[in-house]
Amino acid sequence: GNSVTQMEGPVTLSEEAFLTINCTYTATGYPSLFWYVQYPGEGLQLLLKATKADDKGSNKGFEATYRKETTSFHLEKGSVQVSDSAVYFCARGKAAGNKLTFGGGTRVLVKP
Amino acid sequence: GAGVSQSPSNKVTEKGKDVELRCDPISGHTALYWYRQSLGQGLEFLIYFQGNSAPDKSGLPSDRFSAERTGGSVSTLTIQRTQQEDSAVYLCASSLNGDRTDTQYFGPGTRLTVL
Repeated sequence: GNSVTQMEGPVTLSEEAFLTINCTYTATGYPSLFWYVQYPGEGLQLLLKATKADDKGSNKGFEATYRKETTSFHLEKGSVQVSDSAVYFCARGKAAGNKLTFGGGTRVLVKP
Repeated sequence: GAGVSQSPSNKVTEKGKDVELRCDPISGHTALYWYRQSLGQGLEFLIYFQGNSAPDKSGLPSDRFSAERTGGSVSTLTIQRTQQEDSAVYLCASSLNGDRTDTQYFGPGTRLTVL
């Protein structure tokens, strides 16, 4: 079936550490892929997206590359800050109407 | 311009009562979506509107759930005879035209608690 799988958290890191959150998807066709972030007490907001194979989305020091051959869209940041503490959701869009299927979310806690 | 707004922000109701949740999308966005976020089920799609019609209602969990959109703008999600398992945060999102590359912008959500 169509699904999105991301690593379970919580992920606890020290400031300036390297962060990777794995995300894989199943789908027919070529969906758009998204990372959304939910900061404590705030709503969901788009972090980055990629709409075709080999595209790289980037924002706020985060990057993710659309890998069709491995059906993956892993999120990375080279040096995290305390302010990056949040829940991160990987999502896949469906062509007709682009409804989103979300992964389970990964809670990240960055300690000073 | 303003983002997606939802009301009420919190709703506490008794089991068996009906509730209405409202969503105001970003002006000019033709596509509107309802999702819900719960501890047990994560983030789930409920329904998608393009203009005033709903071509995809596949995520509505039962016939107690319905939604409408009027004037290509405001949408209302109605839950009849609420049950405790309906407790969740109901999120509304809108996007420019529902294209596969569109970004969906989310509202702050309505937290529904069914006692």
